[in-house]
Amino acid sequence: GAGVSQSPRYKVAKRGQDVALRCDPISGHVSLFWYQQALGQGPEFLTYFQNEAQLDKSGLPSDRFFAERPEGSVSTLKIQRTQQEDSAVYLCASSSGQGAYGYTFGSGTRLTVV
Amino acid sequence: GQQLNQSPQSMFIQEGEDVSMNCTSSSIFNTWLWYKQDPGEGPVLLIALYKAGELTSNGRLTAQFGITRKDSFLNISASIPSDVGIYFCAGSGGSYIPTFGRGTSLIVHP
Repeated sequence: GAGVSQSPRYKVAKRGQDVALRCDPISGHVSLFWYQQALGQGPEFLTYFQNEAQLDKSGLPSDRFFAERPEGSVSTLKIQRTQQEDSAVYLCASSSGQGAYGYTFGSGTRLTVV
Repeated sequence: GQQLNQSPQSMFIQEGEDVSMNCTSSSIFNTWLWYKQDPGEGPVLLIALYKAGELTSNGRLTAQFGITRKDSFLNISASIPSDVGIYFCAGSGGSYIPTFGRGTSLIVHP
């Protein structure tokens, strides 16, 4: 596609509910990143894929967070047993290169846990 | 998580004024990036810097990669109302994974 597409744009979850956030990167982009952006803060790194391989997941805040990219294109970020502190905008970005140079962000998914 | 020191936190200026913001890090970076984020959207890349001392322009925007490799600044000349938004710096080292600043919120009064 022309850009990075994320869905849903908004998600309200009850505390304890599981959620799945989807990212469709730009076609052919090998690198894919997930970031978490709390209100009034800059994006914070969660995890990085190169094709289907998850090369870095050091930013995932707990074992309730899980990301996958099984075929090297679409990626899903799953959060189990959501808690109020998980409320944030989750941003996905993709890049054609190995690294993050000039990568393109999606519009994000705003998750609100009530 | 780690975030860079970005200042100022916010700026309120008159249309036509020049703007300057900067970013510092305790770590040495190989790349500095500057992004702009509008409400409800993801960050959009403005300028990428790859070499210490590099000075790069993109229209009314100019950014520099500090000689120490621990800082960068962004200047916007002759601001216009559509410059309103949040500007983020980001730096990356050997891991190629950028670390972002907390952002500078820019408001331009017509």
